[in-house]
Amino acid sequence: EVQLLESGGGLVQPGGSLRLSCAASGFTFSTYAMSWVRQAPGKGLEWVSAINNSDSGSTFYADSVKGRFTISRDNSKNTLYLQMNSLRAEDTAVYYCAKSSRGHCYSPADYWGQGTLVTVSS
Amino acid sequence: DIVMTQSPDSLAVSLGERATINCKSSQSVLYSSNNKNFLGWYQQKPGQPPKLLIYWASTRESGVPDRFSGSGSGTDFTLTISSLQAEDVAVYYCQQYYNAPFTFGPGTKVDIE
Repeated sequence: EVQLLESGGGLVQPGGSLRLSCAASGFTFSTYAMSWVRQAPGKGLEWVSAINNSDSGSTFYADSVKGRFTISRDNSKNTLYLQMNSLRAEDTAVYYCAKSSRGHCYSPADYWGQGTLVTVSS
Repeated sequence: DIVMTQSPDSLAVSLGERATINCKSSQSVLYSSNNKNFLGWYQQKPGQPPKLLIYWASTRESGVPDRFSGSGSGTDFTLTISSLQAEDVAVYYCQQYYNAPFTFGPGTKVDIE
């Protein structure tokens, strides 16, 4: 059974940093691209970032987070990361980790985690 | 960036009736090399993560009831629920995965009338 377990969310002050993790199990992690999608309270889905299947895989970012967020993965630990710096109030959201159906990012997300809440506030 | 729009914003349909949701992309998401539309549909129920329903615009994900169907090509797409059930109450999103950033539509809320 595919499982994606996000962690690392919490309350952080504006300008602060946070690192999210997504522990994957139930599939061969190194085979698939992965992504982060967020959802602000009461709002729709916003794609944030994605990474191809290799540890040094191609990465992609939404304009709203480019230069502030960094996606990475450790295939030996079956874990996806999102390093978030210079956080703003508008980054407040539930962050979902999602598995792509292929090794490259140009594919749909077929499994999602339950999400972790990030709140940016003073 | 490809902008995704959806219509209507919300709709209420009687149980057993048809629900139709439209999605439009600001540029074609049809990849000519393989003739596939890089378009997916997701269902999100309250308090739950999204669930993939349809990919390549018209391929139903495994385990998804056949009352859900997707159609369209290029820039115009439709998700149809042929006979609405109570458990279909949710917000539905389209997403293009043709070009990064892989943008979502704003969502369409489906309720029971």
